[in-house]
Amino acid sequence: NAGVTQTPKFQVLKTGQSMTLQCAQDMNHEYMSWYRQDPGMGLRLIHYSVGAGITDQGEVPNGYNVSRSTTEDFPLRLLSAAPSQTSVYFCASSYSIAGGYTEAFFGQGTRLTVV
Amino acid sequence: AQSVAQPEDQVNVAEGNPLTVKCTYSVSGNPYLFWYVQYPNRGLQFLLKYITGDNLVKGSYGFEAEFNKSQTSFHLKKPSALVSDSALYFCAVRAGYSSASKIIFGSGTRLSIRP
Repeated sequence: NAGVTQTPKFQVLKTGQSMTLQCAQDMNHEYMSWYRQDPGMGLRLIHYSVGAGITDQGEVPNGYNVSRSTTEDFPLRLLSAAPSQTSVYFCASSYSIAGGYTEAFFGQGTRLTVV
Repeated sequence: AQSVAQPEDQVNVAEGNPLTVKCTYSVSGNPYLFWYVQYPNRGLQFLLKYITGDNLVKGSYGFEAEFNKSQTSFHLKKPSALVSDSALYFCAVRAGYSSASKIIFGSGTRLSIRP
């Protein structure tokens, strides 16, 4: 059972380039989300999804797009990379219980540097 | 809106002494509360959660947390600290009903245990 898998682990982009961070989970979790982690800022929610075909914005969605065509995959697209998007990105998934969703299971992260 | 506050950026404790990492939250309705730990260059590991029931919840590595509804707090505790407990700790909250699925994190508290 692989859990939540993120690729790549490291990436360097030039300003203006686009790329997609991949996230896949094999736990059949309905809920998936993307966070960015910056020093002193904790984890900030970028986008999340409660199922295939359903996505919504989090706290810091600007400059990022997501889609959810399958339960397993939730890619994050950077449209035109900026130095302010230099960060560590985490994907997470959760399963539902009666009354809501429970704890998040995290991938190992993608360290992105935009130069 | 949901929010989490971790008022201490850093907590320093001598090995063998009890430790407390503070967390307060704001959420509509009943909260689901979580603690995570992050070791350097790693993803987030789940420690424990409060969903319902006993206000004192026990988790991994000897950690426990006490839910206090009147003070809207969920402080993390351990009776006897180990040097290996040194890490970054995050508190998180989500509203305990299915239509509000976002999980929001605090800014993190760095725990340093001195030998």
